[in-house]
Amino acid sequence: KAGVTQTPRYLIKTRGQQVTLSCSPISGHRSVSWYQQTPGQGLQFLFEYFSETQRNKGNFPGRFSGRQFSNSRSEMNVSTLELGDSALYLCASVPDGNSYNEQFFGPGTRLTVL
Amino acid sequence: SQQGEEDPQALSIQEGENATMNCSYKTSINNLQWYRQNSGRGLVHLILIRSNEREKHSGRLRVTLDTSKKSSSLLITASRAADTASYFCATDVGSYTGANSKLTFGKGITLSVRP
Repeated sequence: KAGVTQTPRYLIKTRGQQVTLSCSPISGHRSVSWYQQTPGQGLQFLFEYFSETQRNKGNFPGRFSGRQFSNSRSEMNVSTLELGDSALYLCASVPDGNSYNEQFFGPGTRLTVL
Repeated sequence: SQQGEEDPQALSIQEGENATMNCSYKTSINNLQWYRQNSGRGLVHLILIRSNEREKHSGRLRVTLDTSKKSSSLLITASRAADTASYFCATDVGSYTGANSKLTFGKGITLSVRP
């Protein structure tokens, strides 16, 4: 099976702009989680979607949002970008029926905000 | 907030030596997982240990879990230069129904294996 794919891999934006990142989970996986990784805060959970519904949410401001489509692909959006949003954004998918939550990660999208 | 705290923050060893990394966490968990990340890329799942397990092996990896001390250790035996990476422990506090796919990660350990 193909792994988790994320597009784009690299992105440069300026403050105040908005950005949309995309994640395609492994075929058959309906759960997609998003994480932000920064040198200062480490890996932090953003949100999780399952069958087009947000099932979990981390402690991020409302500028961070997401959605999931019927084919399980997910997008996350960050509006009014700030310098501190520069990070590696990772998405992960979980196999259905996996009660123990091993996650399969994509390669990430490196966002730089200038 | 970080649930796991890894120790040490950085580790440098010679190829062939064993590497031991520790992780402590704060709340009760359902399972603890270790991931590897190469140079700012995606994370790769290494091993998962459930809260009712004490030790688990996978190839050159051995993980232990002490729920009374809220700690875990990851041992990599006979290390190779290719093991050079960052290692993260992650805790899952959700239910076993799979209805909580949220992991809380530590800040990671940077392992350097010198050839």
